[in-house]
Amino acid sequence: SQQGEEDPQALSIQEGENATMNCSYKTSINNLQWYRQNSGRGLVHLILIRSNEREKHSGRLRVTLDTSKKSSSLLITASRAADTASYFCATEIKAAGNKLTFGGGTRVLVKP
Amino acid sequence: DGGITQSPKYLFRKEGQNVTLSCEQNLNHDAMYWYRQDPGQGLRLIYYSQIVNDFQKGDIAEGYSVSREKKESFPLTVTSAQKNPTAFYLCASSAAAINQPQHFGDGTRLSIL
Repeated sequence: SQQGEEDPQALSIQEGENATMNCSYKTSINNLQWYRQNSGRGLVHLILIRSNEREKHSGRLRVTLDTSKKSSSLLITASRAADTASYFCATEIKAAGNKLTFGGGTRVLVKP
Repeated sequence: DGGITQSPKYLFRKEGQNVTLSCEQNLNHDAMYWYRQDPGQGLRLIYYSQIVNDFQKGDIAEGYSVSREKKESFPLTVTSAQKNPTAFYLCASSAAAINQPQHFGDGTRLSIL
């Protein structure tokens, strides 16, 4: 199984609502990163949180990291139709250099 | 503007044929990566390179080959030995250090004729 497992696999919300997705991993990490992918496009980097950090914010995005539980969450506040995309977590594992291991993603649909 | 360019956007392969996917970056990044994405799935690492003239196999390298003759370029060849090549292929680059984000191209979709 993959290093990163995301939950839920799919999420449907109304515009203006918050969206929360979670990522769990198995081994010690240097950092955990979140990416967004619009349909048929490449990935766009959202946030990188290092193993010694617990929370980071970027605009309407909030990421938490709990290394004791080996889990992270991504919160999108006041969602917009343009937030409709797939969201992936990726872990940079210690002793694996700067390679990333990606989870299977959460598909988010924001309905207007 | 700096970025990563993948070409072509769509590619078709006949049985027994090798095809090469192009990836060029002008971000001055030392590290480059190739990923495969199947429908509804995450990304799996095919090959990566941390420096010119050096590259390493990722998790699913069988049936693929790469070269890194220039810092800016990291072409991927899908050989006839890859029996299930239909997928979305993504190229990325980053600084060759830990705690760095990766920057992605817009992908090449490869299909079998």
